Amino acid sequence: DAKTTQPPSMDCAEGRAANLPCNHSTISGNEYVYWYRQIHSQGPQYIIHGLKNNETNEMASLIITEDRKSSTLILPHATLRDTAVYYCIGDLAGNTPLVFGKGTRLSVIA
Amino acid sequence: GAVVSQHPSRVICKSGTSVKIECRSLDFQATTMFWYRQFPKKSLMLMATSNEGSKATYEQGVEKDKFLINHASLTLSTLTVTSAHPEDSSFYICSARELKRFHFGNGTRLTVT
Repeated sequence: DAKTTQPPSMDCAEGRAANLPCNHSTISGNEYVYWYRQIHSQGPQYIIHGLKNNETNEMASLIITEDRKSSTLILPHATLRDTAVYYCIGDLAGNTPLVFGKGTRLSVIA
Repeated sequence: GAVVSQHPSRVICKSGTSVKIECRSLDFQATTMFWYRQFPKKSLMLMATSNEGSKATYEQGVEKDKFLINHASLTLSTLTVTSAHPEDSSFYICSARELKRFHFGNGTRLTVT
């Protein structure tokens, strides 16, 4: 699994876009980039994943650089309920477990 | 959508007793489930892989005789913390993969007094 590097913490004003970066320079060609988040005292929640192309769903957008060495998760209009720890994880989508790094603690501020 | 249900959400027990935590996949079958432990302000640490119909595999440093895992059906895995001690107090989380994503239980907060 690729090692990922994320900033330990970020702040974002409510209603503004939150842009969370992730470096994954050792990612292999068949590894997906996954994003999960963990709200305090809950289990992690899937957000989005991608391989090469940018992806968008009802929660977020994922921008992956052409060389796949980094990506950015975008929450277009952050709310207080988006305050959580966000994890960027490289995953082969096989039957191996997710390995969690330290993630980014996003604080959305009113 | 697919859901993983974990029970109980919170348990307090006395030192020396055993505690069982259940993890169920509600609308999909999971031949493999994963158990994590999380200490305050730390990330999730994989404890073990639960395999339906066979023995669980444990990560280095996790005592298999202390953390008993049973995966008796395609929708249920249980983790039993035997002879619990205060240092076992933690947040335990299970997960299972359905298609290309993992689903997680809401965790069990274990407090051993």
